[in-house]
Amino acid sequence: DQQVKQNSPSLSVQEGRISILNCDYTNSMFDYFLWYKKYPAEGPTFLISISSIKDKNEDGRFTVFLNKSAKHLSLHIVPSQPGDSAVYFCAASRTSGTYKYIFGTGTRLKVLA
Amino acid sequence: DAGITQSPRHKVTETGTPVTLRCHQTENHRYMYWYRQDPGHGLRLIHYSYGVKDTDKGEVSDGYSVSRSKTEDFLLTLESATSSQTSVYFCAITGGTEETQYFGPGTRLLVL
Repeated sequence: DQQVKQNSPSLSVQEGRISILNCDYTNSMFDYFLWYKKYPAEGPTFLISISSIKDKNEDGRFTVFLNKSAKHLSLHIVPSQPGDSAVYFCAASRTSGTYKYIFGTGTRLKVLA
Repeated sequence: DAGITQSPRHKVTETGTPVTLRCHQTENHRYMYWYRQDPGHGLRLIHYSYGVKDTDKGEVSDGYSVSRSKTEDFLLTLESATSSQTSVYFCAITGGTEETQYFGPGTRLLVL
């Protein structure tokens, strides 16, 4: 049973437009969420996080939205740039002290110049 | 960048041989993790550690063991490697006042 799902394996967006990556979770006990970007042959790089006490968090071009009732979060990238082309993972955790995260399967974003 | 290194970065081995992967951190963080990444599965937790000599299993721990004798080092051992353990292995750390995990560069393991 996959507790964190990224249902879109890939997404293509034109440079300068908005990229929206989606993530759904099933465990209502999750209260902290992360987004990572991963380039080939590198480790995942932390992008942005959000706690369940918030419904939005911004960092530059990246904004994460959390809808707790729908158990859904999304990552918005505006404007999209060719360097944003990578695989994006969402991850969820219960902040019970062990910081064990469950990761989604990833969405490959391609930003077209 | 978080001070995390993994060694070796690439390894080819034969079925049935033991393999040990090393994760080293310079951040003095308490929590360390081993993940594997496979197509269609994302990142799956193998084992994690919440302190020296304190470890616990993740979701895909069968066939793997870990040890942590020092804060800075977390070892992952495949006692008898199988072809299903061909994967990319990532180490991660979490600690301080943040709940964010930072990842190492990965080890690509091929079991023939």
